[in-house]
Amino acid sequence: SQQGEEDPQALSIQEGENATMNCSYKTSINNLQWYRQNSGRGLVHLILIRSNEREKHSGRLRVTLDTSKKSSSLLITASRAADTASYFCATDAWITGSNYKLTFGKGTLLTVNP
Amino acid sequence: KAGVTQTPRYLIKTRGQQVTLSCSPISGHRSVSWYQQTPGQGLQFLFEYFSETQRNKGNFPGRFSGRQFSNSRSEMNVSTLELGDSALYLCASSLVSGFGNTIYFGEGSWLTVV
Repeated sequence: SQQGEEDPQALSIQEGENATMNCSYKTSINNLQWYRQNSGRGLVHLILIRSNEREKHSGRLRVTLDTSKKSSSLLITASRAADTASYFCATDAWITGSNYKLTFGKGTLLTVNP
Repeated sequence: KAGVTQTPRYLIKTRGQQVTLSCSPISGHRSVSWYQQTPGQGLQFLFEYFSETQRNKGNFPGRFSGRQFSNSRSEMNVSTLELGDSALYLCASSLVSGFGNTIYFGEGSWLTVV
């Protein structure tokens, strides 16, 4: 089952606009990561935010985490056509004992129109 | 520094055959994970290896197996292929196993089962 659920499933904006994607999850987490995937390619790591952090920035990316609401958001400012991709959130969760796994949501497909 | 390398990038197999996919992690990384990505199920965790030992396993049948060598390179094998095994198989590596480690993905191996 999917731990993270991204919202919206698809987002289409114009170049220069900001894009906001949300991720909700069900169980307690230690960390949440955001990844980008261009069509048919591998995943590129964007940002890791720990459960004791509320906000993190990296270039044009801003990630927030609200553990009380079990949600995170990814903001891309001044979007470019090259930002067109699928964006995934991934949470780590215990399986059993000391074992854990990284669980991905189904992603948001972002299209930035020139 | 070279990234995660997966081979082959594309392959077509017939139902009932078996397939072996290879992954070379980033130099110095000792943890290797495998994921299956399909349009219907999204990204699903297969297993993780650390120091040649399988640490975690996802909910996949025994037809899916893997191993890790002393140089941290990893292989995954799928036996008795089914049409539903058609997917993008992604390998990821990180320095160590456990929470909070940034995980880097390869470009994936596209498997088509006919």
